[in-house]
Amino acid sequence: AQKVTQAQTEISVVEKEDVTLDCVYETRDTTYYLFWYKQPPSGELVFLIRRNSFDEQNEISGRYSWNFQKSTSSFNFTITASQVVDSAVYFCALSRMGNAGNMLTFGGGTRLMVKP
Amino acid sequence: GAVVSQHPSRVICKSGTSVKIECRSLDFQATTMFWYRQFPKKSLMLMATSNEGSKATYEQGVEKDKFLINHASLTLSTLTVTSAHPEDSSFYICSARAISGAPYEQYFGPGTRLTVT
Repeated sequence: AQKVTQAQTEISVVEKEDVTLDCVYETRDTTYYLFWYKQPPSGELVFLIRRNSFDEQNEISGRYSWNFQKSTSSFNFTITASQVVDSAVYFCALSRMGNAGNMLTFGGGTRLMVKP
Repeated sequence: GAVVSQHPSRVICKSGTSVKIECRSLDFQATTMFWYRQFPKKSLMLMATSNEGSKATYEQGVEKDKFLINHASLTLSTLTVTSAHPEDSSFYICSARAISGAPYEQYFGPGTRLTVT
């Protein structure tokens, strides 16, 4: 069975602060994909990143960065110099590789509130 | 490209009635569509996997007779909530996987907010 845990249910920061959203996963698969999605108040899911289990390189995209550590089964997401527009619910998700079982297992989500 | 639409975006219905939600892939053909349900301030839970031309596969605990899923074409899947009750009120989100795309690529619709009074 697959499981994704986002221990932080809500985080509140002041604009320009850095913030890290934690994600820990469990899977018996040796190969898998990890994702982060953003869900603003409108409800639509916005894809942020996909990482496959082969690639443990950290990634940076503008103010966003991701730290994948297979040894601790974690895939943490950091927003640098947060902005009010970053306020949303962020979901970490896991899926299997291959054609079967591409459904996503989502974590419980972390609600990020960035105050001006 | 890779746009998925859902209709309606919001629906309010009376208890006991049925509601149909459509999920369309607008610019690609989708072999597989997924239906998720999200309660307020909760995560997305997979309800079922729908493959074009075959019966949907439901997740454990999801009543197939209550949540009817039809995937009659490569661009359309529908979810019908039958005899809706207030506890069915939720945000329903579909996603679609393209025929020609990588297996991990799923494109999400904007969601349908269902309120049963």
